[in-house]
Amino acid sequence: EDQVTQSPEALRLQEGESSSLNCSYTVSGLRGLFWYRQDPGKGPEFLFTLYSAGEEKEKERLKATLTKKESFLHITAPKPEDSATYLCAVQHAGGTSYGKLTFGQGTILTVHP
Amino acid sequence: GAGVSQSPSNKVTEKGKDVELRCDPISGHTALYWYRQSLGQGLEFLIYFQGNSAPDKSGLPSDRFSAERTGGSVSTLTIQRTQQEDSAVYLCASSQTRSEQYFGPGTRLTVT
Repeated sequence: EDQVTQSPEALRLQEGESSSLNCSYTVSGLRGLFWYRQDPGKGPEFLFTLYSAGEEKEKERLKATLTKKESFLHITAPKPEDSATYLCAVQHAGGTSYGKLTFGQGTILTVHP
Repeated sequence: GAGVSQSPSNKVTEKGKDVELRCDPISGHTALYWYRQSLGQGLEFLIYFQGNSAPDKSGLPSDRFSAERTGGSVSTLTIQRTQQEDSAVYLCASSQTRSEQYFGPGTRLTVT
């Protein structure tokens, strides 16, 4: 069974204080690892897909990296508007999974001005 | 372009009543997914549609839950004889086959 564990559960940063969020996963055949951002009362917003170990993707102040066991979401010089819940999900490569995502519990990020 | 839309945005119902939740996917997206998000459980997969067929229903929690998709577009999730444990946010997502999924705003269901 696919498993995704995110840490920390909550992270409080000062504006400009860089940090990283962790996503550890167990999956028998990874097709892709996805990062989403979710604001209160809204649906998850797609950020990145990573497909293979060593891959990196960047968007503004965010950079996602992938190894064979975990992914990191690095936040450089965060701003208050980066405050949100960040969700990690894995997609199984197996033929019967049909692309469904298995999500972690999320990391609640709060950035104080 | 237009994103995934869901209706209603909020639904309050009495225990034992039936409810229908609607999802309009992004035009042209062949894959459609339903997920449920509740406190303490995170986001849980319910059902997957490819076109009008549902090859994976493994996440539906009981036979009170059913879903259909018509015309390869709109999908309806039906919950019969609602229970308090059904209270959650129901999220719909669509994608081009197995690529990234785009989520709607969700329907918050409260069963009293």
